[in-house]
Amino acid sequence: NAGVMQNPRHLVRRRGQEARLRCSPMKGHSHVYWYRQLPEEGLKFMVYLQKENIIDESGMPKERFSAEFPKEGPSILRIQQVVRGDSAAYFCASSPRDGYYEQYFGPGTRLTVT
Amino acid sequence: AQSVAQPEDQVNVAEGNPLTVKCTYSVSGNPYLFWYVQYPNRGLQFLLKYITGDNLVKGSYGFEAEFNKSQTSFHLKKPSALVSDSALYFCAVRVFISSGSARQLTFGSGTQLTVLP
Repeated sequence: NAGVMQNPRHLVRRRGQEARLRCSPMKGHSHVYWYRQLPEEGLKFMVYLQKENIIDESGMPKERFSAEFPKEGPSILRIQQVVRGDSAAYFCASSPRDGYYEQYFGPGTRLTVT
Repeated sequence: AQSVAQPEDQVNVAEGNPLTVKCTYSVSGNPYLFWYVQYPNRGLQFLLKYITGDNLVKGSYGFEAEFNKSQTSFHLKKPSALVSDSALYFCAVRVFISSGSARQLTFGSGTQLTVLP
């Protein structure tokens, strides 16, 4: 059973470009969570999605950031007009249900904005 | 609001000695508590969780954690440390609110564990 998959693992963008981060949850998992880890900091929750629905986006910046989890295909975290402060590791996690189930994390995408 | 504190940025221990990584939490309601480990350039791996029941929880790789409600703590322990245990450890908490929804995982800032040979 493959784990959570994220691609690309490393992404370099110039300021003003768009970044698209992809996440394929574990087989059988329909709940996806995105987190951001800034250097020397812990993980911060960004958004929680189920298939075709955003359940909780309380951690998402109001501008430039969006997320989706379509009926078919991976979940996408999209960052428009990137700035240097967006440089971070972005982790996706999945779980079979919400609640007290542990979340399984992918290897992360390390975004560098130059 | 919910929060997690890991008071030690760095813990050093000799191989074969017991180790403790500390975690305290603050929530309104009953907490669900988790420990994760992160190796360099890798994602987080789940170690163990406390939901309800026995206060001593056993997890992967010989780790265990003790839930102490009065002290609002959930310290991670291992009786005999290995060099391969050296990694970054995160404590996390989640709580369900009255509306039936759940606040998302809140992570501590992490503790770097170094086991010296």
